[in-house]
Amino acid sequence: EAGVTQFPSHSVIEKGQTVTLRCDPISGHDNLYWYRRVMGKEIKFLLHFVKESKQDESGMPNNRFLAERTGGTYSTLKVQPAELEDSGVYFCASSQDVAQDLLHNEKLFFGSGTQLSVL
Amino acid sequence: KQEVTQIPAALSVPEGENLVLNCSFTDSAIYNLQWFRQDPGKGLTSLLLIQSSQREQTSGRLNASLDKSSGRSTLYIAASQPGDSATYLCAVRSRDTGRRALTFGSGTRLQVQP
Repeated sequence: EAGVTQFPSHSVIEKGQTVTLRCDPISGHDNLYWYRRVMGKEIKFLLHFVKESKQDESGMPNNRFLAERTGGTYSTLKVQPAELEDSGVYFCASSQDVAQDLLHNEKLFFGSGTQLSVL
Repeated sequence: KQEVTQIPAALSVPEGENLVLNCSFTDSAIYNLQWFRQDPGKGLTSLLLIQSSQREQTSGRLNASLDKSSGRSTLYIAASQPGDSATYLCAVRSRDTGRRALTFGSGTRLQVQP
């Protein structure tokens, strides 16, 4: 079974350009999460999809970030225009849907991440 | 707001030693705590998940404990091997209504010397 796949693995762009990251979750996983790690800091939550719906986007830093999950399959995260502080590693994770009372057992599977460098 | 702290930030041990990694969190209202491993350039691999009602979980040479009331978890690695070298992260899922975000610690970078 394929795991969570992300591409590109690396992206180097100039400030002001646009970049789109893609995540393919494990087949059948309704939950899809985006996280990022910047400047050696902790990994931080960005947003959460359930199928094609944004369930929680409280971690999105600003309106330069746009995430989509058309059809509830793969997801894209677009940064437009990119700024220097957007540099970091962007991780995607997925999990099977669980009922609210089973959240204690939800296990996330992470992709290898996209290393984004904004120059 | 939940905060997760991991100590030490880095650790270097000779092969064969038993070691303990520490994780503390500020809000004890959690669903679970997970320990992950990250190798350079790779994603996060889930090692152990401890539900809030559990005290410990074991997998091979790994044992994770959870003391929810004191906000602490430890990851015990027995008979360490060079292949255990990686960054170890702990993350908690808090009982924020409607939210499923994990809060991560900054990690412990482990180096096992052959």
